[in-house]
Amino acid sequence: QSALTQPASVSGSPGQSITISCTGTSSDVGGYNYVSWYQQHPGKAPKLMIHDVSNRPSGVSNRFSGSKSGNTASLTISGLQAEDEADYYCSSYTSSATLVFGGGTKLTVL
Amino acid sequence: EVQLVESGGGLVQPGESLRLSCIGSGFTLGSYWMTWVRQAPGKGLEWVASIKPDGSEKDYVDSVKGRFAISRDNTQNSLFLQLNSLRVEDTAIYYCARTRVRIDVWGRGTTVTVSS
Repeated sequence: QSALTQPASVSGSPGQSITISCTGTSSDVGGYNYVSWYQQHPGKAPKLMIHDVSNRPSGVSNRFSGSKSGNTASLTISGLQAEDEADYYCSSYTSSATLVFGGGTKLTVL
Repeated sequence: EVQLVESGGGLVQPGESLRLSCIGSGFTLGSYWMTWVRQAPGKGLEWVASIKPDGSEKDYVDSVKGRFAISRDNTQNSLFLQLNSLRVEDTAIYYCARTRVRIDVWGRGTTVTVSS
Protein backbone atom coordinates (compact mmCIF):
# COMPACT_ATOMS: atom_id res chain seq x y z
CA GLN A 1 0.00 0.00 0.00
CA SER A 2 2.60 2.55 -1.07
CA ALA A 3 1.42 6.10 -1.63
CA LEU A 4 1.09 7.37 -5.17
CA THR A 5 3.91 9.69 -6.23
CA GLN A 6 3.19 13.39 -6.69
CA PRO A 7 5.59 16.34 -6.93
CA ALA A 8 5.88 18.09 -3.58
CA SER A 9 5.23 21.49 -5.07
CA VAL A 10 4.34 23.30 -8.29
CA SER A 11 3.87 26.96 -9.01
CA GLY A 12 2.51 29.22 -11.69
CA SER A 13 1.48 32.78 -12.36
CA PRO A 14 -2.11 33.93 -12.66
CA GLY A 15 -3.54 33.00 -16.04
CA GLN A 16 -0.99 30.28 -16.70
CA SER A 17 -1.63 26.53 -16.78
CA ILE A 18 -0.02 23.93 -14.55
CA THR A 19 -0.07 20.16 -14.48
CA ILE A 20 0.31 17.90 -11.47
CA SER A 21 1.31 14.29 -12.05
CA CYS A 22 0.35 11.24 -10.01
CA THR A 23 2.31 8.06 -10.63
CA GLY A 24 1.30 4.64 -9.42
CA THR A 25 1.47 1.09 -10.71
CA SER A 26 -0.56 -1.31 -12.80
CA SER A 27 -2.24 -2.40 -9.55
CA ASP A 28 -3.78 1.00 -8.97
CA VAL A 29 -3.63 3.97 -11.37
CA GLY A 30 -2.84 1.87 -14.42
CA GLY A 31 -5.35 -0.83 -13.68
CA TYR A 32 -8.50 1.15 -13.01
CA ASN A 33 -10.21 4.30 -14.21
CA TYR A 34 -10.91 5.22 -10.59
CA VAL A 35 -8.50 8.12 -10.17
CA SER A 36 -9.78 11.13 -8.27
CA TRP A 37 -8.28 14.52 -7.45
CA TYR A 38 -8.95 16.57 -4.33
CA GLN A 39 -8.26 20.19 -3.43
CA GLN A 40 -7.58 21.09 0.20
CA HIS A 41 -7.23 24.61 1.54
CA PRO A 42 -5.49 25.06 4.92
CA GLY A 43 -7.68 24.00 7.82
CA LYS A 44 -10.44 22.76 5.53
CA ALA A 45 -11.73 19.37 4.47
CA PRO A 46 -10.73 18.11 1.02
CA LYS A 47 -12.99 18.82 -1.95
CA LEU A 48 -13.51 16.48 -4.89
CA MET A 49 -12.37 18.18 -8.11
CA ILE A 50 -12.07 15.28 -10.59
CA HIS A 51 -13.33 11.68 -10.42
CA ASP A 52 -13.00 8.63 -12.64
CA VAL A 53 -9.87 10.11 -14.26
CA SER A 54 -11.49 13.01 -16.10
CA ASN A 55 -14.98 13.72 -14.81
CA ARG A 56 -15.81 16.99 -13.08
CA PRO A 57 -18.49 17.07 -10.38
CA SER A 58 -21.21 19.63 -10.75
CA GLY A 59 -20.01 23.04 -9.62
CA VAL A 60 -16.31 22.50 -10.28
CA SER A 61 -14.80 24.96 -12.72
CA ASN A 62 -14.02 23.70 -16.22
CA ARG A 63 -10.52 25.10 -15.71
CA PHE A 64 -9.82 21.80 -13.95
CA SER A 65 -9.26 18.73 -16.12
CA GLY A 66 -7.86 15.25 -15.64
CA SER A 67 -6.25 12.59 -17.79
CA LYS A 68 -4.35 9.34 -17.56
CA SER A 69 -1.65 7.57 -19.53
CA GLY A 70 -0.45 4.19 -18.36
CA ASN A 71 0.39 4.34 -14.67
CA THR A 72 0.40 8.13 -14.48
CA ALA A 73 -2.60 10.40 -14.02
CA SER A 74 -2.50 14.16 -14.39
CA LEU A 75 -4.47 17.15 -13.17
CA THR A 76 -4.30 20.31 -15.26
CA ILE A 77 -5.47 23.68 -14.03
CA SER A 78 -5.76 26.32 -16.71
CA GLY A 79 -6.16 30.07 -16.24
CA LEU A 80 -4.63 29.92 -12.76
CA GLN A 81 -6.35 32.06 -10.14
CA ALA A 82 -5.24 33.06 -6.67
CA GLU A 83 -8.00 30.93 -5.13
CA ASP A 84 -6.48 27.81 -6.71
CA GLU A 85 -3.57 27.99 -4.26
CA ALA A 86 -4.02 24.87 -2.15
CA ASP A 87 -2.82 21.33 -1.64
CA TYR A 88 -3.89 18.77 -4.23
CA TYR A 89 -4.13 15.02 -3.71
CA CYS A 90 -4.75 12.22 -6.15
CA SER A 91 -6.24 8.88 -5.18
CA SER A 92 -6.82 5.55 -6.84
CA TYR A 93 -8.69 2.36 -6.15
CA THR A 94 -6.33 -0.62 -5.93
CA SER A 95 -6.33 -4.32 -6.75
CA SER A 96 -6.39 -5.03 -2.99
CA ALA A 97 -9.81 -3.34 -2.70
CA THR A 98 -8.23 -0.41 -0.90
CA LEU A 99 -7.87 3.27 -1.68
CA VAL A 100 -4.46 4.90 -1.93
CA PHE A 101 -3.68 8.62 -1.93
CA GLY A 102 -0.74 10.51 -3.34
CA GLY A 103 1.57 12.38 -1.01
CA GLY A 104 0.07 15.72 -2.02
CA THR A 105 1.25 18.68 -4.07
CA LYS A 106 1.36 22.24 -2.80
CA LEU A 107 0.31 24.66 -5.53
CA THR A 108 1.60 28.19 -5.21
CA VAL A 109 0.13 30.95 -7.36
CA LEU A 110 2.90 33.49 -7.79
CA GLU B 1 -27.98 20.01 2.48
CA VAL B 2 -25.85 16.89 2.34
CA GLN B 3 -23.64 16.83 5.41
CA LEU B 4 -21.44 14.59 7.54
CA VAL B 5 -20.61 15.47 11.14
CA GLU B 6 -17.98 13.60 13.13
CA SER B 7 -17.55 13.41 16.88
CA GLY B 8 -15.70 11.40 19.49
CA GLY B 9 -12.15 12.60 19.08
CA GLY B 10 -9.96 13.54 22.00
CA LEU B 11 -6.66 13.17 23.84
CA VAL B 12 -5.76 9.66 24.96
CA GLN B 13 -2.68 7.79 26.09
CA PRO B 14 -0.97 5.08 24.04
CA GLY B 15 -2.81 1.78 24.34
CA GLU B 16 -6.18 3.37 25.07
CA SER B 17 -9.34 3.31 22.97
CA LEU B 18 -11.75 5.76 21.34
CA ARG B 19 -14.95 5.45 19.36
CA LEU B 20 -15.56 7.92 16.57
CA SER B 21 -19.05 8.60 15.26
CA CYS B 22 -20.33 10.22 12.12
CA ILE B 23 -23.91 11.26 11.43
CA GLY B 24 -25.10 11.89 7.91
CA SER B 25 -27.91 14.21 6.92
CA GLY B 26 -29.52 15.21 3.65
CA PHE B 27 -29.04 11.77 2.14
CA THR B 28 -29.61 8.09 2.93
CA LEU B 29 -26.30 6.92 4.34
CA GLY B 30 -27.37 3.30 3.98
CA SER B 31 -27.22 3.56 0.18
CA TYR B 32 -23.50 4.30 0.07
CA TRP B 33 -20.12 2.81 0.78
CA MET B 34 -18.69 4.89 3.62
CA THR B 35 -15.06 5.61 4.43
CA TRP B 36 -12.75 7.00 7.10
CA VAL B 37 -9.72 9.00 5.99
CA ARG B 38 -7.13 10.51 8.34
CA GLN B 39 -4.55 13.25 8.12
CA ALA B 40 -1.66 13.46 10.54
CA PRO B 41 -0.49 16.97 11.50
CA GLY B 42 1.21 18.58 8.52
CA LYS B 43 0.95 15.39 6.48
CA GLY B 44 -1.10 14.05 3.60
CA LEU B 45 -4.34 12.13 3.41
CA GLU B 46 -4.41 8.45 4.34
CA TRP B 47 -7.29 6.09 3.65
CA VAL B 48 -8.12 4.16 6.83
CA ALA B 49 -11.18 1.96 6.19
CA SER B 50 -14.30 1.53 4.09
CA ILE B 51 -17.55 -0.37 4.63
CA LYS B 52 -20.13 -1.66 2.15
CA PRO B 53 -23.71 -0.29 2.36
CA ASP B 54 -25.03 -3.42 4.09
CA GLY B 55 -21.94 -3.78 6.30
CA SER B 56 -21.00 -7.13 4.79
CA GLU B 57 -17.59 -6.02 3.52
CA LYS B 58 -14.99 -4.03 5.40
CA ASP B 59 -11.53 -3.08 4.20
CA TYR B 60 -8.65 -1.59 6.19
CA VAL B 61 -5.23 -0.10 5.63
CA ASP B 62 -2.60 -2.55 6.88
CA SER B 63 -1.40 -0.29 9.70
CA VAL B 64 -4.77 -0.46 11.53
CA LYS B 65 -5.84 -4.05 10.83
CA GLY B 66 -6.67 -5.81 14.08
CA ARG B 67 -6.82 -2.53 16.00
CA PHE B 68 -9.56 -0.48 14.32
CA ALA B 69 -13.09 -1.58 13.45
CA ILE B 70 -15.47 0.21 11.11
CA SER B 71 -19.21 -0.27 11.52
CA ARG B 72 -22.48 1.41 10.66
CA ASP B 73 -26.08 1.78 11.77
CA ASN B 74 -28.12 2.62 8.73
CA THR B 75 -31.27 3.07 10.80
CA GLN B 76 -29.52 5.98 12.53
CA ASN B 77 -27.73 7.24 9.38
CA SER B 78 -24.50 6.71 11.30
CA LEU B 79 -20.97 5.48 10.74
CA PHE B 80 -18.50 4.49 13.44
CA LEU B 81 -14.81 3.79 13.88
CA GLN B 82 -13.62 1.92 16.97
CA LEU B 83 -9.97 2.71 17.64
CA ASN B 84 -8.20 0.27 19.99
CA SER B 85 -4.57 -0.06 21.08
CA LEU B 86 -3.92 3.49 19.94
CA ARG B 87 -0.38 4.51 19.05
CA VAL B 88 1.29 7.91 18.87
CA GLU B 89 1.35 7.57 15.09
CA ASP B 90 -2.47 7.38 15.02
CA THR B 91 -2.60 11.06 15.94
CA ALA B 92 -4.56 12.75 13.17
CA ILE B 93 -7.73 14.44 12.03
CA TYR B 94 -10.19 11.68 11.15
CA TYR B 95 -12.61 12.49 8.34
CA CYS B 96 -15.85 10.67 7.67
CA ALA B 97 -16.46 10.45 3.93
CA ARG B 98 -19.13 9.29 1.53
CA THR B 99 -18.36 6.50 -0.96
CA ARG B 100 -15.12 4.65 -1.44
CA VAL B 101 -13.72 5.34 -4.86
CA ARG B 102 -14.77 8.92 -5.47
CA ILE B 103 -15.28 10.72 -2.17
CA ASP B 104 -17.84 13.40 -2.91
CA VAL B 105 -18.82 14.40 0.64
CA TRP B 106 -16.43 14.98 3.53
CA GLY B 107 -17.08 15.85 7.15
CA ARG B 108 -15.10 18.56 8.91
CA GLY B 109 -13.14 15.94 10.84
CA THR B 110 -12.55 15.06 14.48
CA THR B 111 -9.10 15.23 16.05
CA VAL B 112 -7.50 12.26 17.77
CA THR B 113 -4.35 12.92 19.77
CA VAL B 114 -2.40 10.02 21.24
CA SER B 115 0.24 11.15 23.69
CA SER B 116 1.67 10.16 27.03
